[in-house]
Amino acid sequence: GAVVSQHPSRVICKSGTSVKIECRSLDFQATTMFWYRQFPKQSLMLMATSNEGSKATYEQGVEKDKFLINHASLTLSTLTVTSAHPEDSSFYICSASSGINTEAFFGQGTRLTVV
Amino acid sequence: DQQVKQNSPSLSVQEGRISILNCDYTNSMFDYFLWYKKYPAEGPTFLISISSIKDKNEDGRFTVFLNKSAKHLSLHIVPSQPGDSAVYFCAATDNYGQNFVFGPGTRLSVLP
Repeated sequence: GAVVSQHPSRVICKSGTSVKIECRSLDFQATTMFWYRQFPKQSLMLMATSNEGSKATYEQGVEKDKFLINHASLTLSTLTVTSAHPEDSSFYICSASSGINTEAFFGQGTRLTVV
Repeated sequence: DQQVKQNSPSLSVQEGRISILNCDYTNSMFDYFLWYKKYPAEGPTFLISISSIKDKNEDGRFTVFLNKSAKHLSLHIVPSQPGDSAVYFCAATDNYGQNFVFGPGTRLSVLP
């Protein structure tokens, strides 16, 4: 199956700094990428959907100025958590789709800890 | 090494019949399991979940069964409807939320 690489897998940062998470589709063109946030014991919460070359569409309640999403190419999308706070600590996971079929391929996820 | 497996990439079922989607896992630390549904051009959406302290959870037409000793869970859809046609992903997580793993998905086609 297709591979989606998410990096880094774990990151610890200081409060007030920004953190960038990358999501790469390694062997297909991802016209659409989805970013999720997951809290322990809860289902994934969709944060935003991004289409290559367009601005991301954010779900209600997600601060677009805090969670910057860039999908500049067909193989790369980035999520930047700006001015991180301890409450931003969570597990973030991306999912990529070619938009042609129904497959969605997930990255390995990123465990963000803000201290 | 795949920690969450869905060995059937596709499944076709007649409308009105039962759909059974299977999922196996290898990591004994997993204790919370979720099913997601994905339509074309949309992101996966949460469907139903089950904690390891239970062996069954039911929500309308959807029931998830968990067999911990076999490290196996299944999603039953009864009765199946054409609108259920989608890709279904099984996911597993551990008690600390440190590990969240998706299976590769099973494409369900419900034929009218």
